[in-house]
Amino acid sequence: AIRMTQSPSSLSASIGDRVTITCRASQSISNYLAWYQQKPGKAPKLLIYAASTLQSGVPSRFSGSGSGTDFTLTINRLQSEDFATYYCQQCYSYPFAFGPGTQVEIK
Amino acid sequence: EVQLVESGGGLVKPGGSLRLSCAASGFTFNNYNMDWVRQAPGKGLEWVSSISPDSLYIYYADSVKGRFTISRDNAKNSLFLQINTLRADDTAVYYCARALEPAAPRGPVDYWGQGALVTVSS
Repeated sequence: AIRMTQSPSSLSASIGDRVTITCRASQSISNYLAWYQQKPGKAPKLLIYAASTLQSGVPSRFSGSGSGTDFTLTINRLQSEDFATYYCQQCYSYPFAFGPGTQVEIK
Repeated sequence: EVQLVESGGGLVKPGGSLRLSCAASGFTFNNYNMDWVRQAPGKGLEWVSSISPDSLYIYYADSVKGRFTISRDNAKNSLFLQINTLRADDTAVYYCARALEPAAPRGPVDYWGQGALVTVSS
């Protein structure tokens, strides 16, 4: 099974900062990588799929990049509503796996 | 509007069974893969199972294989998860979720239900 890791596990940032989260797969997954945002008590929300395609309705300050085993989620000009936990997920082969998550907190 | 509504959660004793249901509306249910994803209290997301539109392709996480059974009833726009031999570490919120793209054999999910809490405790 493909294993996913994320770094950092948490970070503190200020409004307006640029934030970068890294996700790594244990083997190549081409671009079959999705990013989700989850706020406490809520279901996750799809942000990006196919590594870099922005889901409809998601603000353009979110962007994704990478292919193979290494991927990045970038949030430009962090807004108050962006404080949440972010998960990557590989959709290349079953069983699909999520990364352990990165919690973005207010500094 | 796409809606997914889970039901069937509750408190169950270890070794017991439960059947979760997910009622779907607002889209052509029999065109989409459907997934179950769970989240233990205070923990991360765990993909549990996927089923293809025609139920021919079914996949499970290793942690639930042999104990969980996913199924669907396209005539009733419903997804199910039969959970047997429940253990304490099955305690979680269980979400049903719809695949992003119709007829796609693999890919992310875009719509999620509100979740059903399953608590396994004696």
